[in-house]
Amino acid sequence: KQEVTQIPAALSVPEGENLVLNCSFTDSAIYNLQWFRQDPGKGLTSLLLIQSSQREQTSGRLNASLDKSSGRSTLYIAASQPGDSATYLCAVNSGGSNYKLTFGKGTLLTVNP
Amino acid sequence: DVKVTQSSRYLVKRTGEKVFLECVQDMDHENMFWYRQDPGLGLRLIYFSYDVKMKEKGDIPEGYSVSREKKERFSLILESASTNQTSMYLCASSFPDGYTEAFFGQGTRLTVV
Repeated sequence: KQEVTQIPAALSVPEGENLVLNCSFTDSAIYNLQWFRQDPGKGLTSLLLIQSSQREQTSGRLNASLDKSSGRSTLYIAASQPGDSATYLCAVNSGGSNYKLTFGKGTLLTVNP
Repeated sequence: DVKVTQSSRYLVKRTGEKVFLECVQDMDHENMFWYRQDPGLGLRLIYFSYDVKMKEKGDIPEGYSVSREKKERFSLILESASTNQTSMYLCASSFPDGYTEAFFGQGTRLTVV
């Protein structure tokens, strides 16, 4: 059974810092990995989708990397801003029964002005 | 702009009531999902549907049922609401492939008193 772990559970950084969020998964046979952002009391917003054949994917100040063989993904946020404060979740699509997602528990990011 | 819309942002219901949570998507997705999200437990899959009138139990189906009469609409039903069903409920949809994103609604915060 696929398990997804996100470390750290919480992270606090000063504005302007570059930071990395980590996601690890136990079964490397995946189709894709998706990073989401969740603001307090809100739904999930998709940030990046990285296919199993890709090494990385970029959107603006965000860069997601994937190392399938080691079961790891990172989300790199450049020049962090207070508006980046949110919970970041990664989810793995392992195929199987209609391509359900398995989620990590998230990293709560606080960017201090 | 793709959309998954949940019928209510906030609901307060009494113990024993029958509760309906509605979700509509406009992306012609075959897959639709209901999750609940609780602090420390992350997102847990309640039910999912891969076609009209088709459904499968997720990890925590007890106390819930679902209905999918039309492709765009997926309903979650709490047959007799209990206080331990107080939670954030999230609906999602996707194509049944390993290549495209899943999209989420804005969430429904349900309180059972």
